[in-house]
Amino acid sequence: EAGVTQSPTHLIKTRGQQATLRCSPISGHTSVYWYQQALGLGLQFLLWYDEGEERNRGNFPPRFSGRQFPNYSSELNVNALELEDSALYLCASSSATGGKFQNIQYFGAGTRLSVL
Amino acid sequence: GESVGLHLPTLSVQEGDNSIINCAYSNSASDYFIWYKQESGKGPQFIIDIRSNMDKRQGQRVTVLLNKTVKHLSLQIAATQPGDSAVYFCAENGAGNQFYFGTGTSLTVIP
Repeated sequence: EAGVTQSPTHLIKTRGQQATLRCSPISGHTSVYWYQQALGLGLQFLLWYDEGEERNRGNFPPRFSGRQFPNYSSELNVNALELEDSALYLCASSSATGGKFQNIQYFGAGTRLSVL
Repeated sequence: GESVGLHLPTLSVQEGDNSIINCAYSNSASDYFIWYKQESGKGPQFIIDIRSNMDKRQGQRVTVLLNKTVKHLSLQIAATQPGDSAVYFCAENGAGNQFYFGTGTSLTVIP
């Protein structure tokens, strides 16, 4: 069974541009989470989607947005890129049907975004 | 420009020794915890979980201890191997399905 897949692996943009990152969850998982991991730091929660709806967002400006498609894949968009947006962006998926204590998040390998 | 150093706590252990990685969590209402391992260039990988109604849980070569009184979690790795070198994160889940991750600890195993 395929795990969480993210594309692209690397993305290089210049300041002010827009970036689009994609995530395909594990088959059967309906929840998708996005995290930002700056170099040497922990995971900062960005967004949580479930059944096509945004359920929660972290403390990030509105230029970080996303959506979840009917097939549960997800897209993260970052507008007006700034240098400090350079980071590893991780996507995770989980199954909401197992209840809270089976809600293990499984991660993809991430997209490395570099803003020049 | 100025280089930015790593913010991660680090732990170095000899191969074959036991490792203990600690984590302080913030929310006394958190009732579910997970340890993840992140190897270089990869996403975090699930290691072991524990619910707040337990003090200890064992897996293969790993044990998680939970002390709710002081809001402390630890991960013990027995007979540490070079393949255990990675960054280890604890994550706490309070309300809903959202997890909050710690800063992480970088474990280096010395052959």
